[in-house]
Amino acid sequence: GAVVSQHPSRVICKSGTSVKIECRSLDFQATTMFWYRQFPKQSLMLMATSNEGSKATYEQGVEKDKFLINHASLTLSTLTVTSAHPEDSSFYICSAKDPGPSYEQYFGPGTRLTVT
Amino acid sequence: GNSVTQMEGPVTLSEEAFLTINCTYTATGYPSLFWYVQYPGEGLQLLLKATKADDKGSNKGFEATYRKETTSFHLEKGSVQVSDSAVYFCALEGGGNKLTFGTGTQLKVEL
Repeated sequence: GAVVSQHPSRVICKSGTSVKIECRSLDFQATTMFWYRQFPKQSLMLMATSNEGSKATYEQGVEKDKFLINHASLTLSTLTVTSAHPEDSSFYICSAKDPGPSYEQYFGPGTRLTVT
Repeated sequence: GNSVTQMEGPVTLSEEAFLTINCTYTATGYPSLFWYVQYPGEGLQLLLKATKADDKGSNKGFEATYRKETTSFHLEKGSVQVSDSAVYFCALEGGGNKLTFGTGTQLKVEL
């Protein structure tokens, strides 16, 4: 099946700094990617829908100025957590939608962010 | 809005035991339903899906039937293996291909 990668897999940053997480579709072009956040022992919560060449669509309650999403190419979307705080510590997961007939979403392995 | 409720884990079974993980949903319209599996250290993988009422999704010995009358999509496997140990997520797809997930159920299969 299709492969989606994320980088880095783990990152630790200090409070007040910004962190960028990359999501890449390795063997297909994805016009749409999704960013999720997963809290311990909880479900994945959709944060935003990222569309190539246009602005991301954020879910209710997600601060667009804090979680900057850029989908500059058909294989890369980035999530930047700006001015990170300890409460932003979480597991961030991206997915990319197959443009083919299956419309299946392929998920990255996730990025563990820890803000100290 | 849409929501998915699945049984809490962890679920611990002996190898070759029968598995059921319950999943019910609330949604407008007729969403597609999915089961995803997350093995340790890996991303979510689609296990099976069903797109309309009475459809049965199946893969790797796992099955789930889309029951509109009970708004359920329970996951079953007749004989689990140690390699099935993972976290299982039930999900539905609403408008805009947005997925709504359940909280996940951890399955541990022991020899």
